[in-house]
Amino acid sequence: DSGVTQTPKHLITATGQRVTLRCSPRSGDLSVYWYQQSLDQGLQFLIQYYNGEERAKGNILERFSAQQFPDLHSELNLSSLELGDSALYFCASSPRSLAGGPGELFFGEGSRLTVL
Amino acid sequence: GQNIDQPTEMTATEGAIVQINCTYQTSGFNGLFWYQQHAGEAPTFLSYNVLDGLEEKGRFSSFLSRSKGYSYLLLKELQMKDSASYLCAVRTGFQKLVFGTGTRLLVSP
Repeated sequence: DSGVTQTPKHLITATGQRVTLRCSPRSGDLSVYWYQQSLDQGLQFLIQYYNGEERAKGNILERFSAQQFPDLHSELNLSSLELGDSALYFCASSPRSLAGGPGELFFGEGSRLTVL
Repeated sequence: GQNIDQPTEMTATEGAIVQINCTYQTSGFNGLFWYQQHAGEAPTFLSYNVLDGLEEKGRFSSFLSRSKGYSYLLLKELQMKDSASYLCAVRTGFQKLVFGTGTRLLVSP
C-alpha cells in the first residue's frame, strides 16, 4: 500500500460524457501528479500540482482539467469523452523535498476508465 | 524533446540473470529511476541513480552512464514473480518524471 488513494477504481461511461477522478496523496506529500496509461503504452505525464498550484503540464488535452485543493487532494476532470480516452489513470505523490531520499513517486492503484 | 528507449519485451528463465537496457535523450537530467509494474497494478519504485556507476539492492542492480545517456537494470536469480513490466524514467526537472514505454519481462520455469 503506497498510501495514495484513488477513486473510483473502475468507471464505465459513454462517449460525450464527463467524469471526475479523485486522488488523495500520501500524508505530508505536497506534490500530486497525474499520468495516463493506455493499453501497451507507457505512462504519459498529464499534469503536476505542488501545494495547490499547477507546476508542470504534459500532454494533457484541452478537454481535461485538474486541480489540487487546500487539503491537497486532487481531481482530474475528463469531459467530452472519446473512445480513445479509455485508459488507466494514475495519480502519484511525492515528498516535499529530496532530503529524505531520491524523491521517487508513489503511485495509487489507478482508476480504470472505459468509454463505450 | 524527450526520448527514452527500452526493448519492448524480453524473456528469461527462472534462476537466470537478465539485463534490461534504457537509453535516453532528454532536455535536463536530474536522476534516473527504475519502476516495476505488474499487469493492471501501480508502478512501484525499484532504484534510483543520479551519479555514474552501479547501485546494488539485493537481487536488483542499476547502472548509469550520464555521458552515454545509458542505464541498465540487472535482475539476478530470477523468480516467477519477477514477470512484470520494468519502466525506466528520467527526472528532467523539479520532480518531473518522464517514463519510457517499459520492457515486459516474462520469466519461464
